[in-house]
Amino acid sequence: DTGVSQNPRHKITKRGQNVTFRCDPISEHNRLYWYRQTLGQGPEFLTYFQNEAQLEKSRLLSDRFSAERPKGSFSTLEIQRTEQGDSAMYLCASSLIALGSGANVLTFGAGSRLTVL
Amino acid sequence: GENVEQHPSTLSVQEGDSAVIKCTYSDSASNYFPWYKQELGKRPQLIIDIRSNVGEKKDQRIAVTLNKTAKHFSLHITETQPEDSAVYFCAASIGNYGQNFVFGPGTRLSVLP
Repeated sequence: DTGVSQNPRHKITKRGQNVTFRCDPISEHNRLYWYRQTLGQGPEFLTYFQNEAQLEKSRLLSDRFSAERPKGSFSTLEIQRTEQGDSAMYLCASSLIALGSGANVLTFGAGSRLTVL
Repeated sequence: GENVEQHPSTLSVQEGDSAVIKCTYSDSASNYFPWYKQELGKRPQLIIDIRSNVGEKKDQRIAVTLNKTAKHFSLHITETQPEDSAVYFCAASIGNYGQNFVFGPGTRLSVLP
């Protein structure tokens, strides 16, 4: 296990097409997060899972975005009918959280860069 | 909701000098504050964190201070080196068990030789 893996690393698509990104977290981690990062900005929260349950989704997130984490392992993020404004780096992160620990250390993947033409 | 502000947006220092980055947050329920470093073209990596029951934490040349009353926390880097050049993000936890984060917009630190 070499960390959080994301695929593809780069995706160029035409407006209106659907895209799917995959994230393989660190195997023993129970939480998985998706963030979006644009140039010069900090990571913006999209959604997160605890095991296979999607516990929170950003209120700012369009319904064109959907994420799954079947069996609590890898996760996919799908964007339907892409728009130019969706162009960004999509970061996945995982963590192992224990209640009461007070710390939640995120390990990020290298990201999937989306360019919508 | 939580809002995290970060200043300055860019910072240039001479090698060997100290650098300080400051963040403020709005949600008094936030109880965990990590700092991430992102080098050009690479993923963010945790460099130090602090919990709300601690006022200061130090790890070699890096330290973080937290003022809960004022709702601000700061990253201090001493004896800066060229490899410290990166974008630094502060974050504040949100949610009952700190399960999520709001990140600041980042500070681009340049250490000049």
